[in-house]
Amino acid sequence: NAGVTQTPKFQVLKTGQSMTLQCAQDMNHNSMYWYRQDPGMGLRLIYYSASEGTTDKGEVPNGYNVSRLNKREFSLRLESAAPSQTSVYFCASREQLSRVNSGNTIYFGEGSWLTVV
Amino acid sequence: RKEVEQDPGPFNVPEGATVAFNCTYSNSASQSFFWYRQDCRKEPKLLMSVYSSGNEDGRFTAQLNRASQYISLLIRDSKLSDSATYLCVVKEVSGGYNKLIFGAGTRLAVHP
Repeated sequence: NAGVTQTPKFQVLKTGQSMTLQCAQDMNHNSMYWYRQDPGMGLRLIYYSASEGTTDKGEVPNGYNVSRLNKREFSLRLESAAPSQTSVYFCASREQLSRVNSGNTIYFGEGSWLTVV
Repeated sequence: RKEVEQDPGPFNVPEGATVAFNCTYSNSASQSFFWYRQDCRKEPKLLMSVYSSGNEDGRFTAQLNRASQYISLLIRDSKLSDSATYLCVVKEVSGGYNKLIFGAGTRLAVHP
């Protein structure tokens, strides 16, 4: 099993350009997440999807959109990139058995390093 | 105040040393607690869960103090391979769903 795979690993964008980060998991997990990680700050949740067909905003959703294409795939789109979106982006997944009773382990992809100039 | 706070370090220790990290959290209703390890330019990975009674996994011991709202991680007999950033993670229920809050991490550097 590959676990969680995300692409691209590195990307440089110009301000105003758009791009989509792709993420797929092969663990049959219900819940998927997009986080960003910045120096001196913890991972911050951008958007999450508790199950196929649903998406919800996290802590820092502004400037992003997401699509839960199917159970496996959860993409993150930057419509008009800004320098403040320079960050490392992690996709993650976790089995969610019910609303509260969920698996504890969250599995991360290897990260996508995005620079907006 | 951050929801989960950690000393960023770095903690520079020699091989064989014992080192301890603490983490404090602000929400007294937090349900579960974890330590994740993150190597440089890599993704975070679960190191261990933290139970109220304290738990041990080899050289690693985790403790939870709910009254004072802090979590600790003790590493005995440090190895060079322990060099990494250790993330404190707290699980809360928000809107009926689990929400993970990550600390910014404590960096550990073990030297020969």
